[in-house]
Amino acid sequence: GAVVSQHPSRVICKSGTSVKIECRSLDFQATTMFWYRQFPKKSLMLMATSNEGSKATYEQGVEKDKFLINHASLTLSTLTVTSAHPEDSSFYICSAQTRSAYEQYFGPGTRLTVT
Amino acid sequence: AQRVTQPEKLLSVFKGAPVELKCNYSYSGSPELFWYVQYSRQRLQLLLRHISRESIKGFTADLNKGETSFHLKKPFAQEEDSAMYYCALSAGGKLIFGQGTTLQVKP
Repeated sequence: GAVVSQHPSRVICKSGTSVKIECRSLDFQATTMFWYRQFPKKSLMLMATSNEGSKATYEQGVEKDKFLINHASLTLSTLTVTSAHPEDSSFYICSAQTRSAYEQYFGPGTRLTVT
Repeated sequence: AQRVTQPEKLLSVFKGAPVELKCNYSYSGSPELFWYVQYSRQRLQLLLRHISRESIKGFTADLNKGETSFHLKKPFAQEEDSAMYYCALSAGGKLIFGQGTTLQVKP
């Protein structure tokens, strides 16, 4: 089956620093990757859609300069939280999709804690 | 506006009881709807989609365009069904998720 990995699974950083989260499709080529944010006991909020080789499309209200997304290859997308603040603490989840398939395959998520 | 509503945050039933997880949607086009499940400490995974009209793990969901609903049903709940369930709408290539319902199946 299609597997998506995320690294790291947990990260703690100090306020003002930047953190990079990787999302990889392990056994398939993902033309599109999505980044979500999940608040405790709440739904997944789509942050941005990333297509390989092009700029990410951000959802309304998501700061593109704060959440930098790069989709450099068909198997890797990265999310960099720049100048992180405690309010950025959250669970970040990526998903990947192939051009021909409807299904999104989800990563296990990354727990970010900003102190 | 495109929206998915799951009115129940928590649904608690006893093993063997019927289950219905409610989902209502708002979408101007032809909807494509999904149910995703997240078991404890596991990633989100697709449970079923309305187009396939299949039953997965005993769960079924019927799209009712008149009532704009896509409720998830299972006639006899099992303890292993305990999980978080999300209804999702595909719109413009993106998934819009409901708030999620925690299903708790008690022994």
